Amino acid sequence: DVKVTQSSRYLVKRTGEKVFLECVQDMDHENMFWYRQDPGLGLRLIYFSYDVKMKEKGDIPEGYSVSREKKERFSLILESASTNQTSMYLCASSFSPYTTAFFGQGTRLTVV
Amino acid sequence: GENVGLHLPTLSVQEGDNSIINCAYSNSASDYFIWYKQESGKGPQFIIDIRSNMDKRQGQRVTVLLNKTVKHLSLQIAATQPGDSAVYFCAERGGSQGNLIFGKGTKLSVKP
Repeated sequence: DVKVTQSSRYLVKRTGEKVFLECVQDMDHENMFWYRQDPGLGLRLIYFSYDVKMKEKGDIPEGYSVSREKKERFSLILESASTNQTSMYLCASSFSPYTTAFFGQGTRLTVV
Repeated sequence: GENVGLHLPTLSVQEGDNSIINCAYSNSASDYFIWYKQESGKGPQFIIDIRSNMDKRQGQRVTVLLNKTVKHLSLQIAATQPGDSAVYFCAERGGSQGNLIFGKGTKLSVKP
């Protein structure tokens, strides 16, 4: 079974802090994704990566950056957290960008 | 997430009945579709997928129907059980970069 693991289930951070959300997958997938999920808005793609050291902007990249130094790990970075970044963050991986994405359990981030 | 079900259309069914969850997709060129299930506090879980060259696909207790003429996808769950209570959403492969686009979801509530 594919396993996508996010480092934290819940995080509380202060406005202006730099925040790192970590994601690891164990299936040697090329592609990894970061989404945020908000009530009424569904899943929105922040960034994705097709390969190590490669990244592509999704639909809502503003205020975020990513890092993919190793194939199995994809990090989402909030350079200066703001309250409007309070959300559920979901990491996913897939064999190709065009097939089923497998999700982690999510990180609920609260910025106060 | 815990409150992903807020603001969503809700389908309430009796245990043992069949459930039909509908999804209208946006891109007539989309060629691959997936249904996900998301339980409270968890990440989305793959249920079943279908390619655009098919109009029906069956899994264990689930069936997906695709009507490309009206850009409509449905998920049928046979003999619905309390454990089926969750938010269900569809995804289509039709993004500008070939990535998945997710619907906002339907909350299924199963009454014992």
